Amino acid sequence: KAGVTQTPRYLIKTRGQQVTLSCSPISGHRSVSWYQQTPGQGLQFLFEYFSETQRNKGNFPGRFSGRQFSNSRSEMNVSTLELGDSALYLCASRQRTNHQETQYFGPGTRLLVL
Amino acid sequence: KNEVEQSPQNLTAQEGEFITINCSYSVGISALHWLQQHPGGGIVSLFMLSSGKKKHGRLIATINIQEKHSSLHITASHPRDSAVYICAVRSGNQFYFGTGTSLTVIP
Repeated sequence: KAGVTQTPRYLIKTRGQQVTLSCSPISGHRSVSWYQQTPGQGLQFLFEYFSETQRNKGNFPGRFSGRQFSNSRSEMNVSTLELGDSALYLCASRQRTNHQETQYFGPGTRLLVL
Repeated sequence: KNEVEQSPQNLTAQEGEFITINCSYSVGISALHWLQQHPGGGIVSLFMLSSGKKKHGRLIATINIQEKHSSLHITASHPRDSAVYICAVRSGNQFYFGTGTSLTVIP
């Protein structure tokens, strides 16, 4: 099976712009989570989607939004970009079987906001 | 307030040494994860624990629910184990992460 893929891998934007990041989970995985990683804050949870529904949301402002499509692919959108949004954005798809849960992470999208 | 605390922050070991990384948390959890992140950003999920102990190769993870503490052990460490190890917990609808332990194993 192919792993989790994220596009684009690298992105440069300017303050005030908006950005859309894409994540394709492992085939058959219906759960997708998004995380932000910065040197200062470390890893932080953004959202979790399951079967096109947002199940959980982290403590981020409304500028951060996401969605999941019927094929389980997910997108996240950040509007009105700020310098502090520069980060590595990671997506993970999750498989849960017999009380065992495994997350498979994508390579991430490195966003630089200038 | 950090819901998840890891120690040590940095660790340097000689090849072959036994390594322990600790994780303490302050919230009720349904699961605890140990993650490995190599330079370049790629993250690999090592273990998910809700109780007891798990072993995979040279890696062993334990959790004590009463003490809200988990440890990750690496036996016979190798330079390829050099990475950042991150403890994460699922608490209700949220995930919380430790700041990571940067491990360097010297040949």
